[in-house]
Amino acid sequence: QVQLVESGGGVVQPGGSLRLSCAASGFTFSIYGMHWVRQAPGKGLEWVAFMRYDGSNKYYVDSVKGRFTISRDNSKNTLYLQMNSLRAEDTAVYYCAKEGSQLPKYFDYWGQGTLVTVSS
Amino acid sequence: DIQMTQSPSSLSASVGDRVTITCRASQSISSYLNWYQQKPGNAPKLLIYAASSLQSGVPSRFSGSGSGTDFTLTISSLQPEDFATYYCQQSYSLSCTFGQGTKLEIK
Repeated sequence: QVQLVESGGGVVQPGGSLRLSCAASGFTFSIYGMHWVRQAPGKGLEWVAFMRYDGSNKYYVDSVKGRFTISRDNSKNTLYLQMNSLRAEDTAVYYCAKEGSQLPKYFDYWGQGTLVTVSS
Repeated sequence: DIQMTQSPSSLSASVGDRVTITCRASQSISSYLNWYQQKPGNAPKLLIYAASSLQSGVPSRFSGSGSGTDFTLTISSLQPEDFATYYCQQSYSLSCTFGQGTKLEIK
């Protein structure tokens, strides 16, 4: 069965860095696009970043451009999100999500999320 | 960026009711519209993709319709487990924006 397990969240001071990981299993990771989506406490869902299956393209929401970097290691079935220059407004649960196999794009599996808290 | 607006933001209904949630896009997105259900403390769950295709394993009381800018999610007969927050999402543009959510509560 498909599993996505995020890790790496925690408490960090403003201006600090964290690297999130998403370990995938139960499917052929190397042929699917992957996304990060976040949810601030008590708020709605916000798409954050996308990486194509082969790593050739990546896209970000404007608010994280230049600060966050999405990457993947297909040999380790793992997706990453490097977060630098963190701000209080980056506080959220971060989910990784797998794209479905059909078009148009949709997210058919999600991890359980990892909480990032940016606070002094 | 494409903006997605859901209505209502919250809704009270009873078990057995028929419920409709609306999602409007700021520009035409063809049928590039998905619906998710989220319960407190859990990750979102895909219900409907491509505006009207039911995800495998999702009960048939859920249905979706629409194209262009206006879309609806309908629950034909509410069950106790359906009380949750529902989100629409456009996948027409690379940014995959979500609506603000509709919280469905028990009346």
